[in-house]
Amino acid sequence: AQSVTQLGSHVSVSEGALVLLRCNYSSSVPPYLFWYVQYPNQGLQLLLKYTTGATLVKGINGFEAEFKKSETSFHLTKPSAHMSDAAEYFCAVSGQGAQKLVFGQGTRLTINP
Amino acid sequence: GAGVSQSPSNKVTEKGKDVELRCDPISGHTALYWYRQSLGQGLEFLIYFQGNSAPDKSGLPSDRFSAERTGGSVSTLTIQRTQQEDSAVYLCASSLEGQAAAYGYTFGSGTRLTVV
Repeated sequence: AQSVTQLGSHVSVSEGALVLLRCNYSSSVPPYLFWYVQYPNQGLQLLLKYTTGATLVKGINGFEAEFKKSETSFHLTKPSAHMSDAAEYFCAVSGQGAQKLVFGQGTRLTINP
Repeated sequence: GAGVSQSPSNKVTEKGKDVELRCDPISGHTALYWYRQSLGQGLEFLIYFQGNSAPDKSGLPSDRFSAERTGGSVSTLTIQRTQQEDSAVYLCASSLEGQAAAYGYTFGSGTRLTVV
């Protein structure tokens, strides 16, 4: 079985500040991990993913995430927040042999000017 | 098509009425998923279709919910005798066969259902 926990349903940062969105997972198989972003009134868009190989993955819009097996984490970061980053972010897990993705509850990111 | 298309984008219905939500996946994508997004509830898996295999209906919340996929392409999610708690955004996603686990899905923009 797989599950995802996103710590913090709402995160607020100032423009230019570091963005850190937390994701912890549980998986009985080596995980594949994803971050999706949802802008208002839109569907979800893939930001980045980890399957195998390098544990630091880079995605679109300057975001990156690091897979830490020992901590069962896949936190999303961006060095400097921009107003356009305001959105809802979802972490998801699957794994080899899995038929579907399991999503976290989502974190709403607000950027303060 | 170029992306996953869902219709209608918004639907307001009276309690007790039936509704049909449509999803047209990316051409060639054999896997199709329905999720429900309720306020503060994240994404809840509803049903999964893969080719000619029997669908995984394990996420359907009640027997008022059903879905079909005709010709391996378009899918319709039907909610009978709608209740206010059915109000949510219903998201459809598709992927190439066997690749969802490693590559993720492509999502549609969703149908916002409001039951009044």
